[in-house]
Amino acid sequence: QVQLQESGPGLVKPSQTLSLTCTVSGGSISSGSYYWSWIRQPAGKGLEWIGRIYTSGSTNYNPSLKSRVTISVDTSKNQFSLKLSSVTAADTAVYYCARTDIYIGGALDYWGQGTLVTVSS
Amino acid sequence: QSALTQPASVSGSPGQSITISCTGTSSDVGGYNYVSWYQHHPGKAPKLMIYEVSNRPSGVSNRFSGSKSGNTASLTISGLQAEDEADYYCSSYTSSRVFGGGTKLTVL
Repeated sequence: QVQLQESGPGLVKPSQTLSLTCTVSGGSISSGSYYWSWIRQPAGKGLEWIGRIYTSGSTNYNPSLKSRVTISVDTSKNQFSLKLSSVTAADTAVYYCARTDIYIGGALDYWGQGTLVTVSS
Repeated sequence: QSALTQPASVSGSPGQSITISCTGTSSDVGGYNYVSWYQHHPGKAPKLMIYEVSNRPSGVSNRFSGSKSGNTASLTISGLQAEDEADYYCSSYTSSRVFGGGTKLTVL
């Protein structure tokens, strides 16, 4: 059973960089069948797709966040990471990592539990 | 990219059927058969319920079904049960991926 777990600071100061890591267990992040994605949910709002990475390092980002987002992968640790720069209070949200299965139309079939990141001084 | 449009809330009594709509454009919902639906109980990980418009993952009840007509996709839940009460999100492939705003399902 594949499991994903987000980790990282729960509090980030405005203008700084938010950094989160997703650790994948129960399967190899190097499998060619999957992308690895980040999604967030501000309090009281809906889900927002942030971006995804393929095992080769190829990335796709939400155009509205593209200038501030970097997603990377570390296959040796079975992890992938999110960096979001120049954060503001609007970036306060629960951040989820998820697996994207290429063979089911890119649906997100496994998700982490989510981690709350608050942007505040 | 704009979020897909879903009703903010729907409700139904146990045993009834409800349908949640998800409206996009020809650049997302209407252009690809890559619509998926997610069930989200607050505080838990979202769960994939439908992929590629109408396919159910293994383990998902056949009370859940999906369809699409033009730029609008729909999720139907039949035989409503108390545990179906949750938030539901649609999502579509575009040149990237977009979600709907979410629909809160209340089982009366």
